[in-house]
Amino acid sequence: NAGVTQTPKFQVLKTGQSMTLQCAQDMNHEYMSWYRQDPGMGLRLIHYSVGAGITDQGEVPNGYNVSRSTTEDFPLRLLSAAPSQTSVYFCASSGDRLAGGGDEQFFGPGTRLTVL
Amino acid sequence: AQTVTQSQPEMSVQEAETVTLSCTYDTSESNYYLFWYKQPPSRQMILVIRQEAYKQQNATENRFSVNFQKAAKSFSLKISDSQLGDTAMYFCAFVSGTYKYIFGTGTRLKVLA
Repeated sequence: NAGVTQTPKFQVLKTGQSMTLQCAQDMNHEYMSWYRQDPGMGLRLIHYSVGAGITDQGEVPNGYNVSRSTTEDFPLRLLSAAPSQTSVYFCASSGDRLAGGGDEQFFGPGTRLTVL
Repeated sequence: AQTVTQSQPEMSVQEAETVTLSCTYDTSESNYYLFWYKQPPSRQMILVIRQEAYKQQNATENRFSVNFQKAAKSFSLKISDSQLGDTAMYFCAFVSGTYKYIFGTGTRLKVLA
């Protein structure tokens, strides 16, 4: 199993550009999520999904869109990048055996995004 | 609102010694889950230990154990026989039936040779 994979590993954007961060998992997990990690702020939840076709907002959703058309994939879209979105982005998944969360989350390696 | 607080931004410990990392949280829920995740310099997030709030027994995983005080809303991590490979950022995390995981700001632990 590859686990949770993220592409790209690094990305530099100019303000106003759009891009999609890719996330895929091969563990047949129902729950997937996106976090951003900023210095001194820990990880903050952006969006999450409890299954194909179902998504919901986390703590910091503004400026980001998600969709979940398959169990395996959960892309994160930045429609118009801003310098405030400079961060490290992590995708995670879990088996969702417990309603509402509680299972171990498996994390991807992260994407370091810089917006100039 | 639910919150997770890690009040120790940085700590250091001598190799083979024991260190305790603190975590407090705030919630009105009675059933929830708590976690400690480790993030070494490689940036990979790794689960260290997990605690279910309805279980009174403290979770242990080899050299890692927790002191879970539900009434005090405290969830500290004890690392025994510290090793150089334990050098990492440690995050406390919480979730309670909403899928909305909340992470603390982290404690950077350095194990000294």
